Amino acid sequence: GAVVSQHPSRVICKSGTSVKIECRSLDFQATTMFWYRQFPKKSLMLMATSNEGSKATYEQGVEKDKFLINHASLTLSTLTVTSAHPEDSSFYICSARDLAGRSTDTQYFGPGTRLTVL
Amino acid sequence: GQNIDQPTEMTATEGAIVQINCTYQTSGFNGLFWYQQHAGEAPTFLSYNVLDGLEEKGRFSSFLSRSKGYSYLLLKELQMKDSASYLCAVHSGGYQKVTFGTGTKLQVIP
Repeated sequence: GAVVSQHPSRVICKSGTSVKIECRSLDFQATTMFWYRQFPKKSLMLMATSNEGSKATYEQGVEKDKFLINHASLTLSTLTVTSAHPEDSSFYICSARDLAGRSTDTQYFGPGTRLTVL
Repeated sequence: GQNIDQPTEMTATEGAIVQINCTYQTSGFNGLFWYQQHAGEAPTFLSYNVLDGLEEKGRFSSFLSRSKGYSYLLLKELQMKDSASYLCAVHSGGYQKVTFGTGTKLQVIP
């Protein structure tokens, strides 16, 4: 199947700093990528839909100025957590839709990024 | 809005069969996913149902009833490695928006 990578896999930062997480589709092009957040023992919560070449669509309750999303190419989307605080500590997961896929099950998840804010 | 319900936890015996139910209420329903997620890892795709009925893939089968807003995941010949969380997720609207349920943590015991 298609591969989606995320970098970094783990990051620890001080409160008030910004952290950038990259999501790459390695062997396919993705016009749409999704960013999820998962707290311990909770399910995935969709944060935003990232569209190549246009502004991201944020879910209700997600601050777009705090979680900056850039989808500059068909293989890369980035999520920047600005002025991170301890409550932002979570598991961030991206997924990407295969541009060539005709069935909806061609949405592939990255391995996730564990963010810890001290 | 959307409402997706599934049991929080289940326990089953190795070699047995277990059924994990999921009910949902949504507008603009397109289909329903089941994902498996081991602790600390990203979800992996199991199935996607669009039409009513049962779809079988090896030891795993998934059922959908659109009129009842109901789905289940059936796991046969349980193995210890099947211990994981199973996420029911509803695909609705455009841009392939997928909304996840809270997940069912399955523990397989010897």
